[in-house]
Amino acid sequence: QKEVEQNSGPLSVPEGAIASLNCTYSDRGSQSFFWYRQYSGKSPELIMFIYSNGDKEDGRFTAQLNKASQYVSLLIRDSQPSDSATYLCAVEIISNFGNEKLTFGTGTRLTIIP
Amino acid sequence: EAGVAQSPRYKIIEKRQSVAFWCNPISGHATLYWYQQILGQGPKLLIQFQNNGVVDDSQLPKDRFSAERLKGVDSTLKIQPAKLEDSAVYLCASSSLAFTGNTIYFGEGSWLTVV
Repeated sequence: QKEVEQNSGPLSVPEGAIASLNCTYSDRGSQSFFWYRQYSGKSPELIMFIYSNGDKEDGRFTAQLNKASQYVSLLIRDSQPSDSATYLCAVEIISNFGNEKLTFGTGTRLTIIP
Repeated sequence: EAGVAQSPRYKIIEKRQSVAFWCNPISGHATLYWYQQILGQGPKLLIQFQNNGVVDDSQLPKDRFSAERLKGVDSTLKIQPAKLEDSAVYLCASSSLAFTGNTIYFGEGSWLTVV
């Protein structure tokens, strides 16, 4: 079982609608969860992080975490063409070496249709 | 604040040749990471340094990959000999604490094509 799973998409959403991106993870001990946005040919940039169950809002973005279901999601309201990118879910795990490291999903490619 | 610098940005080599990538992290960042991102996949951690010591290199193919971080600042990642499956973007990242995901910054990446 992969440690972090995402639907690779592509996910197409009309401009102005809500885009919903989902991610599941396997390590129940994970405490920190991150969403990165990656434009084509560019490096990942952090857009949201969440540590506690529930919702966390930042502008048009809302991250949702359900540790019991091992599920984290990202909602993008009022989607804009500039939101078209690949969204990477990342989960902090404690490795066998005792260090904390980010494990990434494969990413979901989102396209906002004008 | 200057970001994470990487060079070269692009490299094309033939299989069995060698290549080296350089990374200069953000000033003062103790932790440095090298990730490999194959097209269509998420980044995979190859090696993590804390200052100039290796914290985790469990996913580094040590028969062909090597990395060092001299004086706890710059780092180089070397591949010798390269294989076709090494074609990927090599992302260097740094963070200011032992680890905090919300303070990890990525460089623009070094794109490697092995032909």
